[in-house]
Amino acid sequence: GAVVSQHPSWVICKSGTSVKIECRSLDFQATTMFWYRQFPKQSLMLMATSNEGSKATYEQGVEKDKFLINHASLTLSTLTVTSAHPEDSSFYICSVAGYGYTFGSGTRLTVV
Amino acid sequence: QQQVKQSPQSLIVQKGGISIINCAYENTAFDYFPWYQQFPGKGPALLIAIRPDVSEKKEGRFTISFNKSAKQFSLHIMDSQPGDSATYFCAASEETSGSRLTFGEGTQLTVNP
Repeated sequence: GAVVSQHPSWVICKSGTSVKIECRSLDFQATTMFWYRQFPKQSLMLMATSNEGSKATYEQGVEKDKFLINHASLTLSTLTVTSAHPEDSSFYICSVAGYGYTFGSGTRLTVV
Repeated sequence: QQQVKQSPQSLIVQKGGISIINCAYENTAFDYFPWYQQFPGKGPALLIAIRPDVSEKKEGRFTISFNKSAKQFSLHIMDSQPGDSATYFCAASEETSGSRLTFGEGTQLTVNP
């Protein structure tokens, strides 16, 4: 599978601020990337599908204006959580589609 | 149509025993069935995957059994070790069309020494 790098691994931010999470495909040109959210002891919940050079496709119930996704190149997709609130605290994981699906190491976001 | 049902929710096995986790799917268009292992605070890591043209795949201590007619697949972990204690997710996708993975609910495996 591809090698995927996700940063940061954890971040703490104040309520009302924005946080950007990066997902890089290091050895594979990723046309499609996926962003997931995972709450403790739960499965991964798909938030959006990110396609290079086009708008992301968001799952039902996910606020596209709150969770901004940019996939400007074949190696980088970013997720920006805008005006973060404590309820946005979660574990965010990206995935690259290609030779199967490879996941990043995840980002633990805590909003205080 | 898009659901993948996974059981059990949790599993406790003694060291050296066999761990068995089961999944069932509904969408007959699924053509890729991976299993992921996830440790706390980490992203899921691919353990083993199977496609519907074979009924079994083995890699080391891990075996996937696949029953296309029953739309079920299972993960067997032989000689389970304490280091195998993690959460396991089955998943399915229409990989050839580049579609997303549909995940099972997860199984928390604990292997006691």
